[in-house]
Parts: sequence; C-alpha cells; structure tokens
Amino acid sequence: GENVEQHPSTLSVQEGDSAVIKCTYSDSASNYFPWYKQELGKGPQLIIDIRSNVGEKKDQRIAVTLNKTAKHFSLHITETQPEDSAVYFCAASKRGGTGGGNKLTFGTGTQLKVEL
Amino acid sequence: DAGITQSPRYKITETGRQVTLMCHQTWSHSYMFWYRQDLGHGLRLIYYSAAADITDKGEVPDGYVVSRSKTENFPLTLESATRSQTSVYFCASSWDPRYEQYFGPGTRLTVT
Repeated sequence: GENVEQHPSTLSVQEGDSAVIKCTYSDSASNYFPWYKQELGKGPQLIIDIRSNVGEKKDQRIAVTLNKTAKHFSLHITETQPEDSAVYFCAASKRGGTGGGNKLTFGTGTQLKVEL
Repeated sequence: DAGITQSPRYKITETGRQVTLMCHQTWSHSYMFWYRQDLGHGLRLIYYSAAADITDKGEVPDGYVVSRSKTENFPLTLESATRSQTSVYFCASSWDPRYEQYFGPGTRLTVT
C-alpha cells in the first residue's frame, strides 16, 4: 500500500519567515495530495490540495508544489503568523472510482511553531 | 447545527471493558471513516464505510468493530479495550472519493 513520509516532525520559525514541510509518497498511482491543519484540541481541516496534473497551487500565503517524477510534494507558508502554529499533515490517495472510499494515507505530521 | 460530532469527547475506561465511540454527521455524506491519532504515527485508518450497511477494514482494524445502520451514524466499538488502544479517535465523512474529508473534534480515550 501507500506509504507517506513527512519531514520535519517539528519546525520552529520566527514570525514573518517562511516555513516548508516536505512529504514523499511511494505509490506512483497516487494522484491526490491534500494538506490538513490541526489546531490544538480540534480535528484536522483541509487547507489546500493538489492533483497530479498540476505542479503548483497557491492560496494566499499557502502554496503546494508537486514533483511526480521524484514522488514528493511540499507545503510552503510565507509570512508566517502566530495563528499558523499547528500540526500539519500531508496525505496521498488515488481519487476517483467507486467503492473503497477515498482512503487517504497520512504522513506523521509536523508541529509548526511560529515564534514572536 | 450542521456538521460532524463525536461523543464522548473524553473517556476513561478499564482494560477489558467494552466501549463505544459515537459519530454523527448531518450532511448525509455517503462515506464515513474512523482514524486513530498517535504520536509518531499520524492518522491511521481503522475502518471506513461507503454507505449504510457497507463497511470495510482500514490499516489497523484489529480490536475494533463498526456498524452503520443509518447514513448519519457510524459508531466504533472496542469490544475488550486494551492499553494499546489509548489514543485520540477521529471520525470523518465525505461525499465521495473526489471530495475532501471533514473531521469531527475527536474523542480522547484512555484505557487504564
């Protein structure tokens, strides 16, 4: 099955700096790569996703890049703010088709701390 | 309010006891999922369901039982709790494989 590795496990940045979290996946058939943000005491929430036919996607201060050849994708957060402090999870799955659900395989998470 | 809820939010139980975690969603999503979250392991899929009365195993199903008699509910039962099942459990739902999963607030379970 799919295996997703995520690095680093913890990341501390100064407010205003950029943060980058990297993930690699093993199944070349995976074609959907979401990123979730989990704030303390809450469930994960989707913040951005990318499909395999796109190399980069941006949403304000957040961007995700995908390298299908190398089988890795990254989350970039620019101009970090204290409210960006959270745990971030990457995930991968094969979207589409019927049956079996959207069985996301998650990375192990990155604790991001934005320091004042 | 519309959304996905879990109950209880916190539970302490003893080894060997049966415990059921509840999940309820108001969107009529077809798909529902149960994950456990443990430090160093991220989110691991326990069971999922594609519709009422259709369930299937995920990555770590041993020791757990699920049912789905109604679309909106997806309870998770630990038939004989063990200390290794101490974890935070998340329920999630989605319309179908092409859409995002929406997560509940989680249940923190401690097995003593």
